[in-house]
Amino acid sequence: ETGVTQSPTHLIKTRGQQVTLRCSSQSGHNTVSWYQQALGQGPQFIFQYYREEENGRGNFPPRFSGLQFPNYSSELNVNALELDDSALYLCASGRGGGTDTQYFGPGTRLTVL
Amino acid sequence: GESVGLHLPTLSVQEGDNSIINCAYSNSASDYFIWYKQESGKGPQFIIDIRSNMDKRQGQRVTVLLNKTVKHLSLQIAATQPGDSAVYFCAEYEAAGNKLTFGGGTRVLVKP
Repeated sequence: ETGVTQSPTHLIKTRGQQVTLRCSSQSGHNTVSWYQQALGQGPQFIFQYYREEENGRGNFPPRFSGLQFPNYSSELNVNALELDDSALYLCASGRGGGTDTQYFGPGTRLTVL
Repeated sequence: GESVGLHLPTLSVQEGDNSIINCAYSNSASDYFIWYKQESGKGPQFIIDIRSNMDKRQGQRVTVLLNKTVKHLSLQIAATQPGDSAVYFCAEYEAAGNKLTFGGGTRVLVKP
């Protein structure tokens, strides 16, 4: 098991609502990346934070935003939820600006009704 | 637990046999390639990686082969065990965009 934890485990929201997902990085890691994984597919990169600043972003709209805190924990915020946002959201932590191995948490399962 | 591979290609292998999982990638500019294993209810777990300037790398019971000519990556698992049953993803990393891109995944089922 990695030292990356995520909360909550499961979450149900309705369309149009906002959601905040949380991630605690493995000790000693200063980067955190967020991924969206739909059923039956591989994870898709949302963005990465390094030293509290966004350090790379995938093809996700601005309603997906994030924060990294001084203790390297992180939040993923999604506004104006859509049905297609239903997925497993994974965070991964690592050292350095992205070239180091990323260690994944167990994910948060988001269902949008 | 979470089901991560409802409609994925499946490789069935007898316990003790070797497994080979294949992956085609698209980005010639990728700097390195990684294999991940994902069990139901868990996040992806790092198995092994290989830099783009290499063509083979070995780990414990696993070997990754990279053929840049045809943009093909494979993972070989020796003496497959029941605990190897999972969904396997290849991923490619490009430093320029600081982006890790995952492939579609293959489910491996180990038969006792």
